[in-house]
Amino acid sequence: DAGVIQSPRHEVTEMGQEVTLRCKPISGHDYLFWYRQTMMRGLELLIYFNNNVPIDDSGMPEDRFSAKMPNASFSTLKIQPSEPRDSAVYFCASSLKGFSTGELFFGEGSRLTVL
Amino acid sequence: AQSVTQLDSQVPVFEEAPVELRCNYSSSVSVYLFWYVQYPNQGLQLLLKYLSGSTLVKGINGFEAEFNKSQTSFHLRKPSVHISDTAEYFCAVSASYIPTFGRGTSLIVHP
Repeated sequence: DAGVIQSPRHEVTEMGQEVTLRCKPISGHDYLFWYRQTMMRGLELLIYFNNNVPIDDSGMPEDRFSAKMPNASFSTLKIQPSEPRDSAVYFCASSLKGFSTGELFFGEGSRLTVL
Repeated sequence: AQSVTQLDSQVPVFEEAPVELRCNYSSSVSVYLFWYVQYPNQGLQLLLKYLSGSTLVKGINGFEAEFNKSQTSFHLRKPSVHISDTAEYFCAVSASYIPTFGRGTSLIVHP
């Protein structure tokens, strides 16, 4: 089975531009998580969805960040406008409540560089 | 609320030596415990997990961890490390379906 798929793997953009990161969770999983990883802050939970509904977005740093999950097989994380301090690796992860006790399956990440 | 503390940010060790990566947690309820590994430029992958039963849990690549409820610890061990074990290791605790991760420990294996 395919794992969690993220795109793009690498993105370099200029400050002020819009960035969209994409995620396809494992089929059948009902939880989807967006994390951000930096050297300074480690792994931060930004937002998570259950059955396509956002449950907790308290980790989203500010209004420039938004996330959507229009269906069970697709989610986006958008940054508009982007700033250099948004440079990080963004991970998407999914899990299945009925099976999982907190075990997550991670994608390979999207490395964002904002110049 | 739950929290995880990984006591060492970096652990250097020579190849074939034993290693222990320390993890302590706090929670007011029973928890599930996990160790994840992140190789360079990759996502996190599950190394092992404790759900219930035997407090000694064996994972992939020869790693094992022991759950100690009285000390609220879940330390990761390997009797003999290999160069390929160089990676970032994350301890995580979950009292529901939402895990809390530690800051990570960088294991650096020298030849």
